[in-house]
Amino acid sequence: GAVVSQHPSRVICKSGTSVKIECRSLDFQATTMFWYRQFPKQSLMLMATSNEGSKATYEQGVEKDKFLINHASLTLSTLTVTSAHPEDSSFYICSAIGQYSGNTIYFGEGSWLTVV
Amino acid sequence: QKEVEQNSGPLSVPEGAIASLNCTYSDRVSQSFFWYRQYSGKSPELIMSIYSNGDKEDGRFTAQLNKASQYVSLLIRDSQPSDSATYLCAVNKAYGQNFVFGPGTRLSVLP
Repeated sequence: GAVVSQHPSRVICKSGTSVKIECRSLDFQATTMFWYRQFPKQSLMLMATSNEGSKATYEQGVEKDKFLINHASLTLSTLTVTSAHPEDSSFYICSAIGQYSGNTIYFGEGSWLTVV
Repeated sequence: QKEVEQNSGPLSVPEGAIASLNCTYSDRVSQSFFWYRQYSGKSPELIMSIYSNGDKEDGRFTAQLNKASQYVSLLIRDSQPSDSATYLCAVNKAYGQNFVFGPGTRLSVLP
């Protein structure tokens, strides 16, 4: 299957700072990327959908100024958590779909964010 | 009514048994159906996709689709403790943009 790489896998940051998570599609062009957040023992929660070259579409209740998403190229999307707080600590997962991914979503490995 | 529904479980089966995971969806125009497996603390990984009515087999896994009943299932034969995970059903209404995930069913295979 297609490969989606996410980095970093784990990050610890201080409260009030910003942290950037990268999501790359390694072997296909990702026309659409999705960002999810998942708290322990809970379901995936879709945060936003981003299409290459356009602004991300955020789900209701997700603060777009706090979770900045950039999808500048067909292989890279970034999520920046700005002014992070301890309640932002979570597992963040990206996924991607593209013309040659077989109409299938593939997930990155996920990034554990801990805000202290 | 949620777009994609699954029993949250946990579903417990003994080792070697058949595990049956079910998923229903509400939108009749849905075209593509997927099963993902998610181990605790990891991201989901694709197990199978199915697009046509009927059964599709891949190793110990069989996906079953019934569009008339708006129902898709996953059977796991000869269940192993390593199959213990949360299984996510996903439905794509149209190419790309309308991917909807169910809440997942937690499967526990008991040794």
